[in-house]
Amino acid sequence: GAGVSQSPSNKVTEKGKDVELRCDPISGHTALYWYRQSLGQGLEFLIYFQGNSAPDKSGLPSDRFSAERTGGSVSTLTIQRTQQEDSAVYLCASSLTGGTTDTQYFGPGTRLTVL
Amino acid sequence: AQSVTQLDSHVSVSEGTPVLLRCNYSSSYSPSLFWYVQHPNKGLQLLLKYTSAATLVKGINGFEAEFKKSETSFHLTKPSAHMSDAAEYFCVADVSGGYNKLIFGAGTRLAVHP
Repeated sequence: GAGVSQSPSNKVTEKGKDVELRCDPISGHTALYWYRQSLGQGLEFLIYFQGNSAPDKSGLPSDRFSAERTGGSVSTLTIQRTQQEDSAVYLCASSLTGGTTDTQYFGPGTRLTVL
Repeated sequence: AQSVTQLDSHVSVSEGTPVLLRCNYSSSYSPSLFWYVQHPNKGLQLLLKYTSAATLVKGINGFEAEFKKSETSFHLTKPSAHMSDAAEYFCVADVSGGYNKLIFGAGTRLAVHP
């Protein structure tokens, strides 16, 4: 079946511009997660959605970062006024219920480069 | 604070020899633990997970890991390496206690030589 998909696969932007990254989770998965993978910080949690609400957004690095999820499905991660330190691979994952024994399935990621 | 430490950033083995990738965790309770693999230009794939059932966990592709609470370790092993095992491996812990908020170790890059 279809896995988690993310778009675009690559995004190059200029410093100061806004970007939107999209995640399509596996159909029927209620839990959705965003992570960031960067050279300096490794893989780090950003935000967790259960349905359309985000009970844990503790990993968002600044108020330039926001995310939403609509219809319990697609999620968008928005970065405003991008900075060079935002360059990273942004990964999305989904799981069936978000329970601690669930498996998270990861998408291929969006590679963001801020010039 | 909860953390995951992978003791080796790089491991190199010959094809057909055993693999050992080491991981220690720090947590105030027994977390759920996972190993994920990331092949070049591919997404993260779950190898195996420990969720407080059997302490020896078997995963895909012949990998297994043993949870040792006394040592706070969750080392990944495979009896015989294959060339296709070359990848980056992440030891991961669920620190949320309920909703699968994962923290990742820094990763171990495994090289397999003929």
